[in-house]
Amino acid sequence: QVQLQESGPGLVKPSETLSLTCTVSGGSISSYYWSWIRQPPGKGLEWIGYIYYSGSTKYNPSLKSRVTISLDTSKNQFSLKLRSVTAADTAVYYCARNSEQYDFLTGRYFDAFDLWGQGTMVTVPS
Amino acid sequence: SSELTQDPAVSGAMGHTVRITCQGDSLRNYYASWYQQKPGQAPVLVISGKNNRPSGIPDRFSGSSSGNTASLTITGAQAEDEADYYCNSRDSSGDHLVFGGGTKLTVL
Repeated sequence: QVQLQESGPGLVKPSETLSLTCTVSGGSISSYYWSWIRQPPGKGLEWIGYIYYSGSTKYNPSLKSRVTISLDTSKNQFSLKLRSVTAADTAVYYCARNSEQYDFLTGRYFDAFDLWGQGTMVTVPS
Repeated sequence: SSELTQDPAVSGAMGHTVRITCQGDSLRNYYASWYQQKPGQAPVLVISGKNNRPSGIPDRFSGSSSGNTASLTITGAQAEDEADYYCNSRDSSGDHLVFGGGTKLTVL
């Protein structure tokens, strides 16, 4: 079955760039949306952004100026870069697969994150 | 603050029905999806859209939507359902994804 695995440094210095990679195994990355989501210690989930298999991206407006998500279909991987990090960026970072679906009966769209990586803790010291 | 509002905590007796709600203007136009997260684990999708249960999710979990409120109902809550629950949908522009602040469910 399809599995996602995050990898990258667990410690990033303030003002530097956080770089993480998500490897998709057991299936192709050439479909679906692929997202990054983070969760500060003891807090809730925050969507960072996604990349579509076509390469189009969408980011959380609150992070947009610092975030880049990219795709490497040859390696079945997608990556996150978050620039100019501070202690507020300390969190567990998850990669996830999401889909946009349409309910034909009601004409409503919905999104679902149906697969998640195990998460990786990234600490930015204050 | 999130554009989707959840009660921070909900409790219910084992075997009874518990309901977790998620409010937001975008829910008038978009369905929510729901996730269960246990300590130290990644979230798991339990309901997507109007009321779609992924394979492996017990049928005691169901979803509904009315106006600006989406609900996750657990009919006959079990001890193993004790967890944090998050809703997700779109922001008010419809362009970006958002999560609710999460609800901690305690099964008494």
